[in-house]
Amino acid sequence: DQQVKQNSPSLSVQEGRISILNCDYTNSMFDYFLWYKKYPAEGPTFLISISSIKDKNEDGRFTVFLNKSAKHLSLHIVPSQPGDSAVYFCAAIGAYSGAGSYQLTFGKGTKLSVIP
Amino acid sequence: EAQVTQNPRYLITVTGKKLTVTCSQNMNHEYMSWYRQDPGLGLRQIYYSMNVEVTDKGDVPEGYKVSRKEKRNFPLILESPSPNQTSLYFCASRLQGAREQYFGPGTRLTVT
Repeated sequence: DQQVKQNSPSLSVQEGRISILNCDYTNSMFDYFLWYKKYPAEGPTFLISISSIKDKNEDGRFTVFLNKSAKHLSLHIVPSQPGDSAVYFCAAIGAYSGAGSYQLTFGKGTKLSVIP
Repeated sequence: EAQVTQNPRYLITVTGKKLTVTCSQNMNHEYMSWYRQDPGLGLRQIYYSMNVEVTDKGDVPEGYKVSRKEKRNFPLILESPSPNQTSLYFCASRLQGAREQYFGPGTRLTVT
């Protein structure tokens, strides 16, 4: 059972426009969410995160929105640049177990292509 | 430079020939883990380690072994590789209690 879902395998956006990447989750115990960006031939790199006590977190051109009631989060990139072309993974972490065992559950990823 | 390194980056091998993929981090992180990435399946965790001599299974541990004898190293061992283990493998590490993981560059393994 897939607990973190990214239903769009790919997305194409014109340079300068907004990119919106979506992520849904099913486990109500998830309380922290992260977005990772991955270029070909490289490992994923951390991009932005949000705690479940917030509904928005912003870092430059990147904003993540969290709708807990809908179990939905989204990553907005404004304005989109060709260098943003990559695979974006949504990931979620469950409630802290007390043993430091944060386990990341990843979505399948969305490939973003920003067209110049 | 803080980093996670993996070796080799590319490996082609044959069914049944034991292999080890090494992973090393220089950030003094307690937690390390291995993932595999497959088309349409995203990143799936194979094994993780909370600290030296403490390891546990992830979501897809079958066919893999790990060991954690030193804090900085977390090798992934395939005792008898099979073609269904052809994949892109990532090692990751983080501080205990932190949420953000740092990933290595990946090892592309092909088993024929």
